[in-house]
Amino acid sequence: SQKIEQNSEALNIQEGKTATLTCNYTNYSPAYLQWYRQDPGRGPVFLLLIRENEKEKRKERLKVTFDTTLKQSLFHITASQPADSATYLCALHNAGNMLTFGGGTRLMVKP
Amino acid sequence: GAGVSQSPSNKVTEKGKDVELRCDPISGHTALYWYRQSLGQGLEFLIYFQGNSAPDKSGLPSDRFSAERTGGSVSTLTIQRTQQEDSAVYLCASSPQGGETQYFGPGTRLLVL
Repeated sequence: SQKIEQNSEALNIQEGKTATLTCNYTNYSPAYLQWYRQDPGRGPVFLLLIRENEKEKRKERLKVTFDTTLKQSLFHITASQPADSATYLCALHNAGNMLTFGGGTRLMVKP
Repeated sequence: GAGVSQSPSNKVTEKGKDVELRCDPISGHTALYWYRQSLGQGLEFLIYFQGNSAPDKSGLPSDRFSAERTGGSVSTLTIQRTQQEDSAVYLCASSPQGGETQYFGPGTRLLVL
C-alpha cells in the first residue's frame, strides 16, 4: 500500500543549529514533492517544490533534497530561529493533479 | 490580495444535525480541494474540483458527506447527520488550473457534541 512517513515525534533543536526533517514514501512515483509549513490554528503554507529530476532545491535558509532511489526527501533549515517552530508537512504529487500529505513533523527551536 | 477564505471559522453542532461549510477560493483558481485534519494528524483528502469536470469524490468517508461548487467558484461541503467522529478541522485549498501549489484557507473547526 502507498505510504508517506514523517517522524511523528517532535524535533527539538537549539537556535542557530540546522534542523533536518525526513519524508519517506513507499509505492509512489511522484513527479514532484512539496513541503508546507503549518502553524497552530492555520492552514498549511507552501514552502518549496522539488521535481523528480532535481536532486536539491534551495530557498534562503531552506534546502530540500529528493532521492527517488531511496524514496526520501530531506528538508533542512539552516541557522534555525524560534520563529521556525511549526509543523512541516511533505506532500507528494500523485495521479490526477492531487497531493497526498504526510502526517507532518513538529519542529521546536529553543532560544 | 485576497486568499482562500472559509466560513464559519468555528462550528459547534449536536450529533445528528446537518452542517454546511463554505469555501471561497482565490479568484481565477479553477481547482479546489477539501481536506480534513483531525487533532495532531495529517491532511486527509476528501474531494477535488477541477473546472467543469466531474469532481473526484474518492476521499469522501461516507455518503453523509457531499460537496458542491457553484459557478466554478464558491464551494460548500455538507455533512449530514453529523457524528462525533466528524469533529475535525476542515481545510479548503485552491490552485490555478490544478497547478502545483495549493493555497489553503484557515479552516473550519467543527465540533460535534
